[in-house]
Amino acid sequence: ETGVTQSPTHLIKTRGQQVTLRCSSQSGHNTVSWYQQALGQGPQFIFQYYREEENGRGNFPPRFSGLQFPNYSSELNVNALELDDSALYLCASRGLAGGTYEQYFGPGTRLTVT
Amino acid sequence: AQRVTQPEKLLSVFKGAPVELKCNYSYSGSPELFWYVQYSRQRLQLLLRHISRESIKGFTADLNKGETSFHLKKPFAQEEDSAMYYCALSGVNNNAGNMLTFGGGTRLMVKP
Repeated sequence: ETGVTQSPTHLIKTRGQQVTLRCSSQSGHNTVSWYQQALGQGPQFIFQYYREEENGRGNFPPRFSGLQFPNYSSELNVNALELDDSALYLCASRGLAGGTYEQYFGPGTRLTVT
Repeated sequence: AQRVTQPEKLLSVFKGAPVELKCNYSYSGSPELFWYVQYSRQRLQLLLRHISRESIKGFTADLNKGETSFHLKKPFAQEEDSAMYYCALSGVNNNAGNMLTFGGGTRLMVKP
């Protein structure tokens, strides 16, 4: 069983550009969530996808969008990048562990916007 | 709105000393509380959850609904406990899927 993977590990973009981050869920997990973690802060929930549909969203503007694919991999897209979008972006897939559901986090993608 | 507060950014103790990492929350329904840990150069991982009522790596946490707290405790800290600790809340009846609301985190440093 493989864990959650994310790509790329880090990237640098310019203000106004668009970016796509990718996540491969843990095998058999059909729910994925994305979080933004600014430096020195805890992760903040962006949105969640279940079976290719968004079923929950945090307090983020529409320029943050996502997709989930039939193989349960997913993407986070951010348009019109702003300096404050610089952060670590975490993906988490949800699955059963010992009879209860648990979220398994990926290593993150560090985005720097200049 | 749900909120999680960890009042200490940094907690430094000596090996063998007791540890208590504080966590307070606000939520109008029935919350599910978690502690996540991130060791150096590793990904965020679940340490324990209140419904399991178990001890993991010597850590325990009790949900106190009256004080809206979920403090993490360990009687004797070890150097390998040094890490970043995050308290998190998941609302049972929210319309945001299984979103976790995290606190700002507490860095625990255990000195030899």
